Amino acid sequence: AQSVTQLDSHVSVSEGTPVLLRCNYSSSYSPSLFWYVQHPNKGLQLLLKYTSAATLVKGINGFEAEFKKSETSFHLTKPSAHMSDAAEYFCVVTFTGGGNKLTFGTGTQLKVEL
Amino acid sequence: EAGVAQSPRYKIIEKRQSVAFWCNPISGHATLYWYQQILGQGPKLLIQFQNNGVVDDSQLPKDRFSAERLKGVDSTLKIQPAKLEDSAVYLCASSSFRGRLAAYNEQFFGPGTRLTVL
Repeated sequence: AQSVTQLDSHVSVSEGTPVLLRCNYSSSYSPSLFWYVQHPNKGLQLLLKYTSAATLVKGINGFEAEFKKSETSFHLTKPSAHMSDAAEYFCVVTFTGGGNKLTFGTGTQLKVEL
Repeated sequence: EAGVAQSPRYKIIEKRQSVAFWCNPISGHATLYWYQQILGQGPKLLIQFQNNGVVDDSQLPKDRFSAERLKGVDSTLKIQPAKLEDSAVYLCASSSFRGRLAAYNEQFFGPGTRLTVL
């Protein structure tokens, strides 16, 4: 079985300060991990993905995530938040041979304040 | 390239009525997915098609939900009769197949259909 736990349902930061969105995963197999972003009334967009090639993954819009097997974590970070980053973020897990089935976390709503 | 198209964007119905959603995937994408996203939760896979065939429908409530993908392109998802707990956003996604590793097969999502059942 596979699952993800997003540790914070809401995160609020000031513009220009760092962003940290936390995710822990559980998978019986070597996982592939993703972060998706969902802006209001828009479709889900892939931010970045981990495929076992490199543990530090860089994505779009300055986001990055680090895969830590010992901690079963895949936290999303950004050095400096922008107002346009306000959205809902989903941590997602799947595994090779799983038929491309994605298991989503419950989401973290990011609020960026002036 | 054009993205995944869905219609309608919003739908309000009363319980026990029927409703249908339509999805047009990205051209050439063999795999199509329907997800249900209840408010405050992450999307949950309802059904996955590979061309015309069903790959996974283990979480589809088959007593009231049905889906088809004729000719391996467009797909429709139907609910009949609807219940209050079906209120959710229904997302369609598509992907091409580039290998067994799931991460190679990025899923592209449509904007969704927001269903309200009164």
